[in-house]
Amino acid sequence: GQQVMQIPQYQHVQEGEDFTTYCNSSTTLSNIQWYKQRPGGHPVFLIQLVKSGEVKKQKRLTFQFGEAKKNSSLHITATQTTDVGTYFCAGPLTGANNLFFGTGTRLTVIP
Amino acid sequence: DTGVSQNPRHKITKRGQNVTFRCDPISEHNRLYWYRQTLGQGPEFLTYFQNEAQLEKSRLLSDRFSAERPKGSFSTLEIQRTEQGDSAMYLCASSLGTGLAGELFFGEGSRLTVL
Repeated sequence: GQQVMQIPQYQHVQEGEDFTTYCNSSTTLSNIQWYKQRPGGHPVFLIQLVKSGEVKKQKRLTFQFGEAKKNSSLHITATQTTDVGTYFCAGPLTGANNLFFGTGTRLTVIP
Repeated sequence: DTGVSQNPRHKITKRGQNVTFRCDPISEHNRLYWYRQTLGQGPEFLTYFQNEAQLEKSRLLSDRFSAERPKGSFSTLEIQRTEQGDSAMYLCASSLGTGLAGELFFGEGSRLTVL
């Protein structure tokens, strides 16, 4: 069945270092969303990408959607302790309107 | 507070008992989703409503699980004859739209512990 995998599963960085998480789908996605979940919290929407090759920026966060619409990435420049949490990508199953979440990347930022 | 509301926030039950969770979505949202999340995992899709119609249900979902959204507003998720493997956080989310899934707004979740 369709799978959405993320790598790495965990990432520890020193504050100020950059961080990247990658999302790969076994099938083409019509769109992809990114969510952040703080420890003990619930997922919070960050962004949605729809177009092939799309790049969007939110301050220190850069999101990309692959040309084939099967992969995506989230890059954080100069991490801060407030970036701590688990980052999930999510995309709809083929022909469906739900969202299938990836395995997540847990980011720890060491002050 | 106009966000997604879930209750109870915590439920401890004995194996074999039935439990019911309630979700009140953002009032104008027509779509409502239930997810299950265990520690260290991503949210696992359970089911999805558009208004009062249950449009999709995970094939992995046991028959012990049932969800309703009778008037297209709040929703309930019932688990019958609970098992220890049902212990998880049950997340509800809502969204607005008729086409592709848009931004999901999650509630704080209902944590279930089955003893």
